[in-house]
Amino acid sequence: DIQMTQSPSTLSASVGDRVTITCRASQSISNWLAWYQQQPGKAPKLLIYRASSLESGVPSRFSGSGSGTEFTLTISSLQPDDFATYYCQQYNTYSRTFGQGTKVEIK
Amino acid sequence: EVQLVESGGDLVQPGGSLRLSCAASGFTFSSYSMNWVRQTPGKGLEWVSYISSSSSTIYYADSVKGRFTISRDNAKNSLYLQMNSLRAEDTAVYYCARGVDYFDNWGQGTLVTVSS
Repeated sequence: DIQMTQSPSTLSASVGDRVTITCRASQSISNWLAWYQQQPGKAPKLLIYRASSLESGVPSRFSGSGSGTEFTLTISSLQPDDFATYYCQQYNTYSRTFGQGTKVEIK
Repeated sequence: EVQLVESGGDLVQPGGSLRLSCAASGFTFSSYSMNWVRQTPGKGLEWVSYISSSSSTIYYADSVKGRFTISRDNAKNSLYLQMNSLRAEDTAVYYCARGVDYFDNWGQGTLVTVSS
């Protein structure tokens, strides 16, 4: 299986901050990558697919970039609703795998 | 509005069986591929199984192959996961999720606990 590694595991930030989360794949996955946001006690919510395509209804402060093995999720100006855990997920192979998650907490 | 509602989670002994269901509404269920994804505090999110819209293509994670069976009934707008030979490491919240490659809609999850 392709291993997905996110960094950092935890990130402390303030409202208005620019935040970047990195996701690395153990082998090239082209741009077959999605990002999700998960609030406590809720299901994950799709933010980005195909590495940089914004899901309908997702605020434009979220953006994704990268290809091959290195990807980033950027939140341009952190809002109170954005304090959550974020996951990347590859779909280059039928055995989809997720990163371990990055928790964005209030500084 | 797309809705996915899982049910069937319970406390079960190791070696036991359980059947999860996912009721879909708000979209043409028969046109979409579906998945089961589980989440544990220790291992995070883990994709479990995939079924195509017509049930012609099915995939399983190695960790559940031979023990779990995914199925669907398009007439009833329902997705199922039959889980046999359950182990402690199968303890998780199980989500049904819509999509071929990535998952654009998720249910609220149902908790499966495997313990004696």
